[in-house]
Amino acid sequence: QSVLTQPPSVSGAPGQRVTISCTGSSSNIGAGYDVHWYQQLPGTAPRLLIYDNSNRPSGVPDRFSGSKSGTSVSLAITGLQAEDEADYYCQSYDSSLSGYVFGTGTKVTVL
Amino acid sequence: EVQLSESGGGLVQPGGSLRLSCAASGFSFSGYAMGWVRQAPGKGLQWVSLITNGGGGLKIYADSVRGRFTISRDNSKNTLYLQMNSLRPEDTAEYYCAKMGGSGSHSGYWFHYCGQGTLVTVSS
Repeated sequence: QSVLTQPPSVSGAPGQRVTISCTGSSSNIGAGYDVHWYQQLPGTAPRLLIYDNSNRPSGVPDRFSGSKSGTSVSLAITGLQAEDEADYYCQSYDSSLSGYVFGTGTKVTVL
Repeated sequence: EVQLSESGGGLVQPGGSLRLSCAASGFSFSGYAMGWVRQAPGKGLQWVSLITNGGGGLKIYADSVRGRFTISRDNSKNTLYLQMNSLRPEDTAEYYCAKMGGSGSHSGYWFHYCGQGTLVTVSS
């Protein structure tokens, strides 16, 4: 079971901005552990989008950005494109579970 | 270019065993921690296990697989393994191996690259 909560779905028109929240608890995000974000296109493996809350790996467009302020974590996609339709997951570490945890996942739909 | 290629999945009866392999190339395998993530059909991602770099001194497991699964690595073959015993229907999933990112404490690691996955189906 996931211990990080995300909205099941978000949608937006092409060119718009959407945000995805990721809510945890005092044993993961609240404890100060970093958050990472992944994109999963249908039928493919997860792809790293953001690491350490706000860093983009090479090759990831700057339309994707991550932020963390206290216990509030989010992923923003600006200038939404049709190719951004995918599932998005946050991930962190949980000290109570002594392991890695993923968010429940958010499906992004481009209208 | 980092390449990870999983193999060994298939159909197995409950209580059975499988060994997954992940052949790695394009990076210095022994220098990186490696992990396994799975995804049940239509469900989200779930972390399974991690092994640290070098000789793999640290191995950690999700509660759901601890005592049944064993992670290992052969740096001479650039290969990661997952031995899965006492398999249950709820272990049915696509299994992805991952090259971990990060340094220092493993609590800060992330899944930097994932392979294309291998499907494990546990059913009678």
